Amino acid sequence: AQTVTQSQPEMSVQEAETVTLSCTYDTSESNYYLFWYKQPPSRQMILVIRQEAYKQQNATENRFSVNFQKAAKSFSLKISDSQLGDTAMYFCAFTKTGANSKLTFGKGITLSVRP
Amino acid sequence: DSGVTQTPKHLITATGQRVTLRCSPRSGDLSVYWYQQSLDQGLQFLIQYYNGEERAKGNILERFSAQQFPDLHSELNLSSLELGDSALYFCASSGGGQIPWGFYNEQFFGPGTRLTVL
Repeated sequence: AQTVTQSQPEMSVQEAETVTLSCTYDTSESNYYLFWYKQPPSRQMILVIRQEAYKQQNATENRFSVNFQKAAKSFSLKISDSQLGDTAMYFCAFTKTGANSKLTFGKGITLSVRP
Repeated sequence: DSGVTQTPKHLITATGQRVTLRCSPRSGDLSVYWYQQSLDQGLQFLIQYYNGEERAKGNILERFSAQQFPDLHSELNLSSLELGDSALYFCASSGGGQIPWGFYNEQFFGPGTRLTVL
């Protein structure tokens, strides 16, 4: 079974600064995907970024980038130039590859961006 | 807008009652997943259907059941409700079917149904 661990329950960052959210996971699978989802106060689940385990290059989406360390089973999210709209809960998630595979989520971290 | 719809948005009911949550997947998606988000358990996978058939089960209680209909919409039935069943229930859909090795069909989440059991 897969597990995803987010050990920091809350973080705070000043607007325009950079923040890193941590995530570790455990799996015996060799091929899988990792994700960061954002859940703003509206409660909608929004996919922020995804990383394929077979790719060595870290994924980047505008201000969001990941540091994927496969051997260490670590997957952190870096948010650059933080904006007030980044205030949300962030979930790290894992799935095996394949047509039909469930998502396993971490407990989430609440990020507050201070003006 | 993900293209996944869920009704109702909010549901308030009493302990012991039975409710039905409905999900319409994105057009063309064959797989439907149900997830529960509660304060103490976090986000948990409940069950998955693919083209009308149950495909995988997670931490779904025996009091809960689901089905997927020929038009691919899905319903999650929760019975003998308890206070602890209060949660946000998400439906997600994905394409399913045969895909190349190493690939993944992205899941698109609906807006969720907020269930409050009093």
